[in-house]
Amino acid sequence: GNSVTQMEGPVTLSEEAFLTINCTYTATGYPSLFWYVQYPGEGLQLLLKATKADDKGSNKGFEATYRKETTSFHLEKGSVQVSDSAVYFCALSKETSGSRLTFGEGTQLTVNP
Amino acid sequence: EAGVVQSPRYKIIEKKQPVAFWCNPISGHNTLYWYRQNLGQGPELLIRYENEEAVDDSQLPKDRFSAERLKGVDSTLKIQPAELGDSAVYLCASATGGSWWETQYFGPGTRLLVL
Repeated sequence: GNSVTQMEGPVTLSEEAFLTINCTYTATGYPSLFWYVQYPGEGLQLLLKATKADDKGSNKGFEATYRKETTSFHLEKGSVQVSDSAVYFCALSKETSGSRLTFGEGTQLTVNP
Repeated sequence: EAGVVQSPRYKIIEKKQPVAFWCNPISGHNTLYWYRQNLGQGPELLIRYENEEAVDDSQLPKDRFSAERLKGVDSTLKIQPAELGDSAVYLCASATGGSWWETQYFGPGTRLLVL
């Protein structure tokens, strides 16, 4: 079946540090890949997505590239801010699973000033 | 544009009691999802509606969980009777057409604690 594996957390960084959160997936074919973010006290919201291999999703300084050869969709940001502190979820969706999202376990990011 | 609305935000009940959660999706969104998020984990789909029809309820524990989406708009998820293991956050999401590449928009969730 489909699955998503995220790097173990939590992750603590200083402001302006470089961020990488690893995400790998297991699925046949070509799933769509997503990063959702959950700020404290709020619901999940889409951060970025990619729907085909080699696509790069980007938003708010975050980027992730859909790598079919390594089945990965790592999230990166060049300079994090305190306001980026949140839980980040990698997820996939496949045509054969309807539009069901399969999520990773989430990575808690804390950015200190 | 208003987002997905859920109520209540928090609910504490004793085991064996019934509980219900309500969701109002974004206007015009035909697809509605209920997910359950256990502590420290990612959400898992319980049920998906296309308009009034439940098209994916394979993960819904049907012995105690039920859901409805009358008139293809609002939805209610019910648990009867609740068990300790049902403590979780119940998330509602909606999307325009339910295609597998589409963005799903999530509500703030209902945090359920079963004592």
